[in-house]
Order: sequence, then C-alpha cells, then structure tokens
Amino acid sequence: DTEVTQTPKHLVMGMTNKKSLKCEQHMGHRAMYWYKQKAKKPPELMFVYSYEKLSINESVPSRFSPECPNSSLLNLHLHALQPEDSALYLCASSPLGGRALGTYEQYFGPGTRLTVT
Amino acid sequence: AQSVTQLDSQVPVFEEAPVELRCNYSSSVSVYLFWYVQYPNQGLQLLLKYLSGSTLVKGINGFEAEFNKSQTSFHLRKPSVHISDTAEYFCAVTSYSSYKLIFGSGTRLLVRP
Repeated sequence: DTEVTQTPKHLVMGMTNKKSLKCEQHMGHRAMYWYKQKAKKPPELMFVYSYEKLSINESVPSRFSPECPNSSLLNLHLHALQPEDSALYLCASSPLGGRALGTYEQYFGPGTRLTVT
Repeated sequence: AQSVTQLDSQVPVFEEAPVELRCNYSSSVSVYLFWYVQYPNQGLQLLLKYLSGSTLVKGINGFEAEFNKSQTSFHLRKPSVHISDTAEYFCAVTSYSSYKLIFGSGTRLLVRP
C-alpha cells in the first residue's frame, strides 16, 4: 500500500484563526515532507522530517508550525495566515531519512486545498 | 546545484496518437529521476522512476521513459494516449544525500478526441 492520507480535503479560514492540517502514512517511511503548491506551479518544499525530527525548514514563516507526533503522523499548524498563503498543501513520505533522503521516491497525499479569507 | 527543464509548457495531442514529454536536467553528481502526474485538484502520483540499472524505465498507465546520461535527458513517452491522460506532468531530480526533490515547471498534456 503506497497511500498517504491528508485531512481535511478543503479548509477555509480567516486570518485570525488557528487550524491544523493532518497527514498520515502507514508504509513505515522514515521521512515526511510538507509542500506548498500554487496554481500552475510545481510544489515548493516547506519542511522535512527525518526519523521524526525536523531536519529542514526552507525559511518558512513562523505562522506555519510543523509537528511530528510519531513516525506515521505529520501535522501542520496554521496561525494568523495571510491571503497569499492560499494554496494546495501536500504531504509526502519516502522510505529512508538521514543521508539516504534523496535515494528513494516520494509518495504524495491528495492535498488540502486551503483558502485564507 | 541541480535543475530540471521542461521546455514544453503544454502539449496538445489527439487521442490514440503517440506523445513525448521532454525533460532535461543539470547536475554535477549522479542523479535519480522521476516523473509524476497530477490530475486536477489531486496530489502527485508517481508514474515511474530511474534509480539505477536499465536506462529504459517502464511505469504505470503505459508510460515509459529513457535515461540518457550523455544528453542529460529523461523524456517520457506513451505510444497511444487516452483522454484520461489529460493532466499536468512533472519531471523531478534528486541525488544521494540531497534532501530536496527538484521539480521542473511542468507540462500540461491535453488530449483531444
């Protein structure tokens, strides 16, 4: 099974709200990723978790806060977002972390379509 | 640094015709290459991958790609397309110990009846 699930599918939030996106995989993968994708553009990497530890933050604003409660779960906490943060947020996982991060393919979830009003 | 170029932003083709989507990469180290497909309002689905071994790689849905090291290319091909193949296709590259998957800008395949 090569499935990554994401909830919710759609989310509309105001600029003062706090919300969370959830991602789950049961493939035993040890690396998990958050991406942001704007319309007609490729995904942009936001965060990388390797063996449940945050290993990469691509200079993402602090209004985005990732969390990895266990090896299967990845959350993205959202607070005080701006309208320009509206996008498709994708979660992905890959089998190995550490120095082998680039060795294998990434499996993507269906995404959460976020609209900030 | 690595980069990926997908020269064609859109490729229109008639149903049952063959198609080739072009991908060129730049890297100073050995690479791993991938093609992903994204249908409207969905996530990315892995079509095929080149990690090592045979340079001709077969993927899902009848797609295949050929890794050409001398031309630094990884073009995607399908001998006969269907309407359902209409989607955005992304080529991507990474390497050992690189944490980042570098994507091309994408090619929209538009299959017409």
